[in-house]
Amino acid sequence: DAKTTQPPSMDCAEGRAANLPCNHSTISGNEYVYWYRQIHSQGPQYIIHGLKNNETNEMASPIITEDRKSSTLILPHATLRDTAVYYCIVRVVHQAGTALIFGKGTTLSVSS
Amino acid sequence: DAGITQSPRHKVTETGTPVTLRCHQTENHRYMYWYRQDPGHGLRLIHYSYGVKDTDKGEVSDGYSVSRSKTEDFLLTLESATSSQTSVYFCAISAFRDREHQPQHFGDGTRLSIL
Repeated sequence: DAKTTQPPSMDCAEGRAANLPCNHSTISGNEYVYWYRQIHSQGPQYIIHGLKNNETNEMASPIITEDRKSSTLILPHATLRDTAVYYCIVRVVHQAGTALIFGKGTTLSVSS
Repeated sequence: DAGITQSPRHKVTETGTPVTLRCHQTENHRYMYWYRQDPGHGLRLIHYSYGVKDTDKGEVSDGYSVSRSKTEDFLLTLESATSSQTSVYFCAISAFRDREHQPQHFGDGTRLSIL
């Protein structure tokens, strides 16, 4: 799996957009970018994954650069409940029984 | 949310005792996983299952065994618990659908303390 780099922490005001960056310069053509988050004392929660800029859901939108070397997860209107550690993971989607490698992630703090 | 229930949610036990953690799913997913999460190590895979009675080792399997006699249940056993196994244990499940392995979904964890 390609290595990812994320800032350790970010702050965001409630109601504003939170833009969470992730660098993955060694990503290969068949690797997807997955986003998970972990709220304190809970299990990791799957958010979204994608190969290029064609995935979105009610929670977030990932933007992947043309060269696929970096991504940004956008939470359009952050709420206090979005305070969590956000993980960007790069991996081949057709993998059975293999571990997700969680790095240190970005701690997002949303305040009122 | 994925239908995953881990039990117990918290447990305190003594060194040398056997411990069994249970993961129960209502999604009928084929794949199930056990991870542990420790400060400084992130999540590490202990064992996983790719079907009833089909299991394999993960990165940190020493001291742990698993069993899966039904699709919905995946048990993790510490035969003789040690203090180094104090951790938060997460179960995850995933499906194979549309000819692809789908994302893993996690339970809320079991906090295990071994004194």
